[in-house]
Amino acid sequence: SQKIEQNSEALNIQEGKTATLTCNYTNYSPAYLQWYRQDPGRGPVFLLLIRENEKEKRKERLKVTFDTTLKQSLFHITASQPADSATYLCALALNAGNMLTFGGGTRLMVKP
Amino acid sequence: EADIYQTPRYLVIGTGKKITLECSQTMGHDKMYWYQQDPGMELHLIHYSYGVNSTEKGDLSSESTVSRIRTEHFPLTLESARPSHTSQYLCASSDPGLAGGGGYNEQFFGPGTRLTVL
Repeated sequence: SQKIEQNSEALNIQEGKTATLTCNYTNYSPAYLQWYRQDPGRGPVFLLLIRENEKEKRKERLKVTFDTTLKQSLFHITASQPADSATYLCALALNAGNMLTFGGGTRLMVKP
Repeated sequence: EADIYQTPRYLVIGTGKKITLECSQTMGHDKMYWYQQDPGMELHLIHYSYGVNSTEKGDLSSESTVSRIRTEHFPLTLESARPSHTSQYLCASSDPGLAGGGGYNEQFFGPGTRLTVL
């Protein structure tokens, strides 16, 4: 079965810096990979989707890369703000007909 | 803000009680899901539905049951709650879109129900 690894330790960065979060997966290569933000006591909120044939996707201050050789996705937040503090989850699907498998998430803390 | 609602938000109940967690969405999505999430842990899929009268079990075995008699409504029921059922339960929905399937389009999540069984 697919295993997804995200750094369980919190990432602490200074406001204005770029935050980089990592999502590694084993076994099969996913057709799609998604990133979600989850605040305490709330449901996840979708941020970005990247397909297996895409290297990079951007949305405002967010950037996602997808390296199928390394079996890794990187999630970047540029010019980070304290409001970006949350847990970020990656999720992947083997193909369009499969359900999402979620990683455990990485907690990001942006200090002013 | 996603148009998907869950009630109650918090529930503390004694062992052996029957409970139903409600989930409703107003987006007309065919696909709906229930996830279980313990603090700091992954979301685990316990049930999903492709549409009315369709229900499937997810990757994580669960003693709960679900029903889907209306597109907008996907309740989860525990016939006899136990302390091991204590967790956060998240409901979600998605639009299959052009490529079909649950992995292509974003999932919209409700706020969750935090269940505590004493």
